Amino acid sequence: NAGVTQTPKFRILKIGQSMTLQCTQDMNHNYMYWYRQDPGMGLKLIYYSVGAGITDKGEVPNGYNVSRSTTEDFPLRLELAAPSQTSVYFCATRGGGTGNQPQHFGDGTRLSIL
Amino acid sequence: DAKTTQPNSMESNEEEPVHLPCNHSTISGTDYIHWYRQLPSQGPEYVIHGLTSNVNNRMASLAIAEDRKSSTLILHRATLRDAAVYYCILRAGAGGTSYGKLTFGQGTILTVHP
Repeated sequence: NAGVTQTPKFRILKIGQSMTLQCTQDMNHNYMYWYRQDPGMGLKLIYYSVGAGITDKGEVPNGYNVSRSTTEDFPLRLELAAPSQTSVYFCATRGGGTGNQPQHFGDGTRLSIL
Repeated sequence: DAKTTQPNSMESNEEEPVHLPCNHSTISGTDYIHWYRQLPSQGPEYVIHGLTSNVNNRMASLAIAEDRKSSTLILHRATLRDAAVYYCILRAGAGGTSYGKLTFGQGTILTVHP
């Protein structure tokens, strides 16, 4: 049981390049989330999804796009990478029901934009 | 979102109990108190949550003040593996529109000495 799998683990991009951060879960959870974490700070929500085909913006969505075509996958797309997007990115999932099911996090993708 | 206030850092010795405080004076009646921790170079990990009554699980105990304006996470016997950043987070209960989103503060850095 892998839980939440994020790929790649590390990546260096040049300014203006684009890339997709992958997140896959095998827990059959409806809710999925993308966060970013800057050094010494807490996590900030980028986008979230409440089920396949449904996504919405979080606190810091500018410069990112998401899609949710299946329950398992929730990729995060950076179209024009900027130095301000250097961060660690975490994907998380949560089961349904009340808002108190815990979130399960992946190990993160460490992204540097140079 | 209701905010939480935690000390920036705390220290403990191995095998001693640790009490991590959290103030949340603007908590609403339906907000649950959640605790997550983040070990170095890992994603956050769920620890415990509660509403009004004290809660225990295999990882920790959560003591909630009678007026719910503060809470304390208790690690009964700290180990070196418990060294992490601990986040106290308020989350809306059922019926809210938060979709289980988590708002992270900066948390408390716990150092455990051998």
